[in-house]
Amino acid sequence: AQSVAQPEDQVNVAEGNPLTVKCTYSVSGNPYLFWYVQYPNRGLQFLLKYITGDNLVKGSYGFEAEFNKSQTSFHLKKPSALVSDSALYFCAVRVWNRDDKIIFGKGTRLHILP
Amino acid sequence: DAGVIQSPRHEVTEMGQEVTLRCKPISGHDYLFWYRQTMMRGLELLIYFNNNVPIDDSGMPEDRFSAKMPNASFSTLKIQPSEPRDSAVYFCASSSRTGGYTFGSGTRLTVV
Repeated sequence: AQSVAQPEDQVNVAEGNPLTVKCTYSVSGNPYLFWYVQYPNRGLQFLLKYITGDNLVKGSYGFEAEFNKSQTSFHLKKPSALVSDSALYFCAVRVWNRDDKIIFGKGTRLHILP
Repeated sequence: DAGVIQSPRHEVTEMGQEVTLRCKPISGHDYLFWYRQTMMRGLELLIYFNNNVPIDDSGMPEDRFSAKMPNASFSTLKIQPSEPRDSAVYFCASSSRTGGYTFGSGTRLTVV
């Protein structure tokens, strides 16, 4: 069965420091991988996706994620955190040409400290 | 495109009343998903449709919940009768076969 794990419920980072939000997945097949962000009282917003090609994917708001097939990971990164990055982040996986639905992780709450 | 449109944004109702949530997906998307989000249980998939046909409703909590998609541009999620434990934010999302989801802004339901 497909699954996504976000091992950290919460991540705290000082403003200006680099941030990483971790995600690992387990699928049988080729994965589509996604990151979504949810700000308070809002729906989930698409940040970036990996389908194929370059393992480093760049997305919105300066975020990027690196696909690592051997470690089955897709960590979200940003070189310099902003207070406005504080939000709930979801990793998700969809299996290419197999599953109809996306499997979401439980979410990681990111706090950027001023 | 205006994105996925959900209505109402907020709904407050009394226990026992019928509640209907509405969703208009993005034109051309052939998948539609209903999710519920609470602090306790996080994001839960309730049901999803492909080409207007329900594919998986295993996440629908009880018979009190029902969902329909009469055409490609409209879906409803109905709760009858509503209970306080149904209070949550309900999201609709749509997608193409190989793409990611686009979420609506959600309906915050409060059952008192």
